[in-house]
This record gives sequence, C-alpha cells and structure tokens, in this order.
Amino acid sequence: AQTVTQSQPEMSVQEAETVTLSCTYDTSESDYYLFWYKQPPSRQMILVIRQEAYKQQNATENRFSVNFQKAAKSFSLKISDSQLGDAAMYFCAMDSNYQLIWGAGTKLIIKP
Amino acid sequence: GAGVSQSPRYKVAKRGQDVALRCDPISGHVSLFWYQQALGQGPEFLTYFQNEAQLDKSGLPSDRFFAERPEGSVSTLKIQRTQQEDSAVYLCASNFDRAGDGYTFGSGTRLTVV
Repeated sequence: AQTVTQSQPEMSVQEAETVTLSCTYDTSESDYYLFWYKQPPSRQMILVIRQEAYKQQNATENRFSVNFQKAAKSFSLKISDSQLGDAAMYFCAMDSNYQLIWGAGTKLIIKP
Repeated sequence: GAGVSQSPRYKVAKRGQDVALRCDPISGHVSLFWYQQALGQGPEFLTYFQNEAQLDKSGLPSDRFFAERPEGSVSTLKIQRTQQEDSAVYLCASNFDRAGDGYTFGSGTRLTVV
C-alpha cells in the first residue's frame, strides 16, 4: 500500500528563521510526483512546491525548498525567512496514478 | 472561472437528510477529483472524473455516496441519508489531466450532520 507519513503534528518557528517539515512515503512505483500543500483556515489547499521523482535536483520556489532523498523515501520542506503569513497546516502528498495520497499534516506556528 | 468554486461553503444537515455539494472547476480542466477531509486529518480520495466519465469511484465510502459530472464541467457529490460520520470538509480539485502538474483546489464544503 502507498502511504505518506508526517511525524510532526505541530512545529513552531521564530519569524525570519528557518524551519524544516518532515515527510516520508512508501511506494513501489518508480515514477511519481511529490507535493507540499499549504492549507490556511480558509481551507483551500494551495500548492507550495512539487518534485518529480525522476529528477534528482531538489525543487526550489523562492523561500521554499525541498530535500528529496529518493532511496530513503524522504521529502522534507525547508522554509527560509519564515513570515507570519506562512502559518498554516502543511500537507505532504504523493501523486500516483492520478490519486493524491496525503499525510496527516503539520501545523506550523510562526512566533512574532 | 479563475478558480475552482464550491458551494455551499457550509451545510448543516439533519441525520437522514440528503445533501448535494457542487463543484465548478476551472474552465477547460479535464480532470476533476473529490476528496473527504475529516477534522484534523489529511484528505482522502473519493472519486475521479475525466471529462464526464467517472474513471474511479473506489474511495466512495458507501453506496449512499454518488457523484456525477454529466457534461464534463460542473460536478455534484450527493450523499443520501446522511449520518454523523459523514461530517467532514469535502474538497474538489481539478487539473488539465497531466499528472504532476499539481491540482487546483476549491475552498471546500464543510458538512455537519446533526
């Protein structure tokens, strides 16, 4: 079975500092996609960053970057220069055969 | 439209009542998905459409759940004889049907069954 695990229910970080959110997954597929989504209280899932499994280079989007370790099946999200607007639930997800498999989420708290 | 639109935003139903949740995807998006998100959890897949064809409904929890997309655009998720365990946020997402592009989500419908 394909699974996605987020082991940190909650993380907090001081504004302007860096935080890393963890995600591990399990799949027997060789080709898949990984995503980090942000869900603020408005409930809308917002795509933060995506990674194609066959690409070794880690994806980067402005202050957001990933550490993708395919052999270890690890996909962590690093947020640099944390801002108050980054506060939200963050979900790791894996796309396999058009279904998204989701982790349980990590609540990110930004301390001013 | 500019985004995925879902209505109603909130729905309170008495146990046993039927409900219908609407999703209006981005114009031109071929694929449409429904997810169920229980409180404090990640979403779980319910069903998937490619145009008007329902290609996968394996995630629907019971035969009380039914989804349709008759003209390949707007979709409706119907829940018959609602039960308390149906209380959740129902999220709709769409994309151009290319895996890996990511999906655009609506703001969901929060269903509370009392």
